[in-house]
Amino acid sequence: DGGITQSPKYLFRKEGQNVTLSCEQNLNHDAMYWYRQDPGQGLRLIYYSQIVNDFQKGDIAEGYSVSREKKESFPLTVTSAQKNPTAFYLCASGGAGNTEAFFGQGTRLTVV
Amino acid sequence: GQNIDQPTEMTATEGAIVQINCTYQTSGFNGLFWYQQHAGEAPTFLSYNVLDGLEEKGRFSSFLSRSKGYSYLLLKELQMKDSASYLCAVMTTDSWGKLQFGAGTQVVVTP
Repeated sequence: DGGITQSPKYLFRKEGQNVTLSCEQNLNHDAMYWYRQDPGQGLRLIYYSQIVNDFQKGDIAEGYSVSREKKESFPLTVTSAQKNPTAFYLCASGGAGNTEAFFGQGTRLTVV
Repeated sequence: GQNIDQPTEMTATEGAIVQINCTYQTSGFNGLFWYQQHAGEAPTFLSYNVLDGLEEKGRFSSFLSRSKGYSYLLLKELQMKDSASYLCAVMTTDSWGKLQFGAGTQVVVTP
């Protein structure tokens, strides 16, 4: 089945450690996005990529890094520089025209 | 940037109708989306409006007025499973698919 897959669903990290969240899609979409969601807030854009080997900062990119080496994959690294990383992270992808963004099931990251 | 405002919470009874309003301020408007999100889950697409008017899809309808920067999502014949957060999101012409989200409206359906 076509879709977008995030893993893991739950992730625990010690303070000071980097952690990478996986996002894979087999929808042949060019564009991929990472959003962060905090309780009671809307989704905020971290990074986005419109094409392989190219990506742009979103509204809250500090403390995060991404790569886009393959069309299907857009991993997000939460670095130790991110001051408040505990949140729900959502990956999305969109095709040409982008009249709909497809979301993965999300990764809930908790810093312990 | 864009400002997207929607009410924080709405409560309605099963079988009733609820209208969730969304106002936005943006330049280069390129469409407005509504998503449904249950707690702890990913948002699921409900509707997309780019032209003025009403789009109907089963029990859900979405309306857009570009001149007023206003949209609403109408939920009819409410069911308990409709209890969720409803997210309004705007796409602009300079963002190629980026969506700017409102904070979401939590709809609580009571028996």
